[in-house]
Amino acid sequence: AQRVTQPEKLLSVFKGAPVELKCNYSYSGSPELFWYVQYSRQRLQLLLRHISRESIKGFTADLNKGETSFHLKKPFAQEEDSAMYYCALGGGGATNKLIFGTGTLLAVQP
Amino acid sequence: DVKVTQSSRYLVKRTGEKVFLECVQDMDHENMFWYRQDPGLGLRLIYFSYDVKMKEKGDIPEGYSVSREKKERFSLILESASTNQTSMYLCASSGSNQPQHFGDGTRLSIL
Repeated sequence: AQRVTQPEKLLSVFKGAPVELKCNYSYSGSPELFWYVQYSRQRLQLLLRHISRESIKGFTADLNKGETSFHLKKPFAQEEDSAMYYCALGGGGATNKLIFGTGTLLAVQP
Repeated sequence: DVKVTQSSRYLVKRTGEKVFLECVQDMDHENMFWYRQDPGLGLRLIYFSYDVKMKEKGDIPEGYSVSREKKERFSLILESASTNQTSMYLCASSGSNQPQHFGDGTRLSIL
């Protein structure tokens, strides 16, 4: 069965500390992985897409098929990074239907 | 920039009412989606549509139906609202093989 697991509901770090938001997936085919972010009182927006292999706002994520993981990382957290982060799994195809994880709330303390 | 507009930010209805949530996108996207977002449960797909008049059930379709008469508009219908349908509802759209873009959400309270 297709599944996305984000084991941490809340991750609290201090400003300047490294951040790693964990995401593991279960999928039998060739997965597409995404990170979406929702800042307070804003709409959910795309942060990263694994096929783009780019860094957005200092965040990176590498797809590890051996460990079925797509962890989100940033070397130095900023207060403005505080938000809810969702990992999402797509099976590809024209509809690009997604399965979302339960989300991790990142709180960056000053 | 993609614009996905949900007709209401906040909505309060009574149990048993028929409730309509509307979503409009301006990018001529083929795909449109309805999710509900609940704390600790993430986003769960209710229904999606890949073309006009075409729809498919998501993971939690019970108690809901949808309508897509025009490409830009996707409506979610609660046939007979119940208190357990109190939630944040998110609409999204995407082009073929493109990421989904979300609206601001409708916070629906059923009393």
